[in-house]
This record gives sequence, C-alpha cells and structure tokens, in this order.
Amino acid sequence: GQNIDQPTEMTATEGAIVQINCTYQTSGFNGLFWYQQHAGEAPTFLSYNVLDGLEEKGRFSSFLSRSKGYSYLLLKELQMKDSASYLCAVKASGNTPLVFGKGTRLSVIA
Amino acid sequence: GAGVSQSPSNKVTEKGKDVELRCDPISGHTALYWYRQSLGQGLEFLIYFQGNSAPDKSGLPSDRFSAERTGGSVSTLTIQRTQQEDSAVYLCASSRPGQGVGGYTFGSGTRLTVV
Repeated sequence: GQNIDQPTEMTATEGAIVQINCTYQTSGFNGLFWYQQHAGEAPTFLSYNVLDGLEEKGRFSSFLSRSKGYSYLLLKELQMKDSASYLCAVKASGNTPLVFGKGTRLSVIA
Repeated sequence: GAGVSQSPSNKVTEKGKDVELRCDPISGHTALYWYRQSLGQGLEFLIYFQGNSAPDKSGLPSDRFSAERTGGSVSTLTIQRTQQEDSAVYLCASSRPGQGVGGYTFGSGTRLTVV
C-alpha cells in the first residue's frame, strides 16, 4: 500500500526558518513532489526530487533520502504570504498518479 | 488555454441529484487526473487518463462516479445520486508525458456541496 505522513500543523515566526518533514512507504519510487496550497486555491508546484540530496530554489529547498523514505521542505526567511498548506506527494512509478499526504498547514506569525 | 480550467467553480445540489463537473486541460497535456479534497483531508485520487490508454479508475469510490475524456482533451466527471459525503472540492490536473520536473498543473477546482 501507499502511506505518506507529514505533520498536520506547524507555526513559525516571520523571518525564521521552518522544516516540514515527510515520510513515505510506497510500492515503488519514481519521484517526490512538494506543492503549496493557499486556502481556497489550487495546489502549485514547488519542488521535485528523484535523487538523494538537496535541491535549492530561492528561499525553498527540498531534501530526499530514498533509503530512509524521507523528505523535508525547508523554507527560509519566512514571510506572512508563506502561510499555506504544504503537500508532499510521491510518484510510485512512471504510469501511476501522484499519491498525496494530508498536507501540513503552516501559519507564519509576526 | 494558459491553465487548467474547471467549471463550475461552485455547485450546490440536492441529495439524490446527478452532477457533472468539467475540466479543460492545458493544450498538449496528454495526462489528466481527477482528485477530490475534503475538509482537512489530503488529495484523494479518483481517476487518471493518459492519451488513448484505458483510464485508471482505481480511485473511484463507488459506481456512482464515472468520468470520460473526449477527443483527448476535455473531461467530465459525473456523480450520480449524490450523497452528502460527496461534498468536497474536486480538482483536475494535467501534465505532459514524462513531466517529472514540472509535476502537475491543477485547476482551481469545483466546490461541490450536497444538501
């Protein structure tokens, strides 16, 4: 079966750094995705990891360890607009749809 | 079009009625996905179309749900005899073949409320 776990909620302070973890158990692995979803809006693509290591894109970075079934999304220099849900999703194989975790609701406070 | 278009954006229907939700994917995207998102829940996979292949219907929760994709483009998700538990946001997404790096592009969704 497929199982993706991430914390339900997190709170962090404006200007700080926050790390959102995701662990997964899937029947195969062909990539891990992070999406951002503001309330009432569509999810938007943030990052993609298929090999172990860190992918950096501006204030956002994503890390993957395939042997541990683990990823994290790192957000630096937090801004109020970063308040959103962050969804971890795994592609088990080339022809299967993404399986999503339940998302982590991040609140950025002043 | 520039993005994935879904209609209607909101739909309120009475229990027992049938509803049709429409998705217009990005031109050239051969893969189309339907998900639903209930309050506080993650995205639940419903059905997946890839080119001319038979759709992957493994996520449809009951036989009241069906979907079709005409001409490899527009898709319609139909829910028959709606129930209150069908209330959710129904999201459509599309992608190009092998679009690993870019992932899916989602529409804004249809918020379905069954009363």
